[in-house]
Amino acid sequence: AQSVTQLDSHVSVSEGTPVLLRCNYSSSYSPSLFWYVQHPNKGLQLLLKYTSAATLVKGINGFEAEFKKSETSFHLTKPSAHMSDAAEYFCVVSDRRDDKIIFGKGTRLHILP
Amino acid sequence: DAGITQSPRHKVTETGTPVTLRCHQTENHRYMYWYRQDPGHGLRLIHYSYGVKDTDKGEVSDGYSVSRSKTEDFLLTLESATSSQTSVYFCAISDRAYEQYFGPGTRLTVT
Repeated sequence: AQSVTQLDSHVSVSEGTPVLLRCNYSSSYSPSLFWYVQHPNKGLQLLLKYTSAATLVKGINGFEAEFKKSETSFHLTKPSAHMSDAAEYFCVVSDRRDDKIIFGKGTRLHILP
Repeated sequence: DAGITQSPRHKVTETGTPVTLRCHQTENHRYMYWYRQDPGHGLRLIHYSYGVKDTDKGEVSDGYSVSRSKTEDFLLTLESATSSQTSVYFCAISDRAYEQYFGPGTRLTVT
């Protein structure tokens, strides 16, 4: 069975400092992994995706994530936070065998001026 | 943005009344989904469709039904709304069950 755990429900960083949002997953098959961002009162927008190609995935707005199979992790990073990055971020795992999509519970990112 | 709209965007209704939410896409994607989003729960899948007239239940399907008579429309119905169904509802589409594109959401309040 698949599962996804976002290790922090809230993360606060100062503007200009690095961002790390942590995600661990469980999948008995080769997973596809995604990060979505949701700004207040908006729908979800795809940030980046991993589908068994390069393990380091670059997304929009300077975000990237690295698939580490040995650690079953897919952490989201950004070198320098911007105020506009304040939002909620969701890690998602999909198992291509059964087409199920599992959402993490989200991490709310706060950017301090 | 993917061509996906939801209607209505906001609705207030009374307990016990029927409610139908509409999701419309212009992308001709095969898969369509209904989620609800509540604080502390993230997104939870209500129902999904993998083709016209082909639907299946998600993890929180009780009290909800869906229909898909055309590729572009996916309807979510609350037969008799309850206060526990107060939530924000999101529709999503996908051409495979991988990356999804989300609609803007419908905020439903049941009083």
